[in-house]
Amino acid sequence: GAVVSQHPSRVICKSGTSVKIECRSLDFQATTMFWYRQFPKQSLMLMATSNEGSKATYEQGVEKDKFLINHASLTLSTLTVTSAHPEDSSFYICSARDLAQGSHEQYFGPGTRLTVT
Amino acid sequence: GQNIDQPTEMTATEGAIVQINCTYQTSGFNGLFWYQQHAGEAPTFLSYNVLDGLEEKGRFSSFLSRSKGYSYLLLKELQMKDSASYLCAVRSHPPIKAAGNKLTFGGGTRVLVKP
Repeated sequence: GAVVSQHPSRVICKSGTSVKIECRSLDFQATTMFWYRQFPKQSLMLMATSNEGSKATYEQGVEKDKFLINHASLTLSTLTVTSAHPEDSSFYICSARDLAQGSHEQYFGPGTRLTVT
Repeated sequence: GQNIDQPTEMTATEGAIVQINCTYQTSGFNGLFWYQQHAGEAPTFLSYNVLDGLEEKGRFSSFLSRSKGYSYLLLKELQMKDSASYLCAVRSHPPIKAAGNKLTFGGGTRVLVKP
């Protein structure tokens, strides 16, 4: 089946620094990728929809200047958390659809746990 | 907007059956998904319903009634490894086509299977 990877799996950074998270579709092309955030014991909240070659679409309440998304190729999307604060500590998960298969299914990456100290 | 409700937690015995209900209110409904998520891991796909009725896949079945805005996930012959959170997610048509169909997740139901 389709595989989505994320890197890094865990990252600890200091408050005020920036962190980049990569999301890759390993064996398929993904025109659209999605970025979610999940706080402990809560469900996934969609942050933004990342479209290859165009600007991301952000959900209401998500600051686009703080969470920079770049979808430079059909297999790679990156999320950069700028000027991170402790409240940004969360589990960040990406997902992608295999459009060549016409599949309705979203394949999720393994997630990145961000801790801001 | 969208509203998706599911119970917070359920407990069941190994070998038993558990039914997790999900009710939703949404515009532009375009399918309902169930995912399983173990703690600290990404969700894994379980089922997809877009038409009314029951979809069966092994020990897991999912039902949808679009007119009632209702779905359930049925887990049969429960095993200890089924202890996890189960997420109901609704896909909707976007107002802008380029945005792509997006999923909105319910709060998840934590299922605890006891021996």
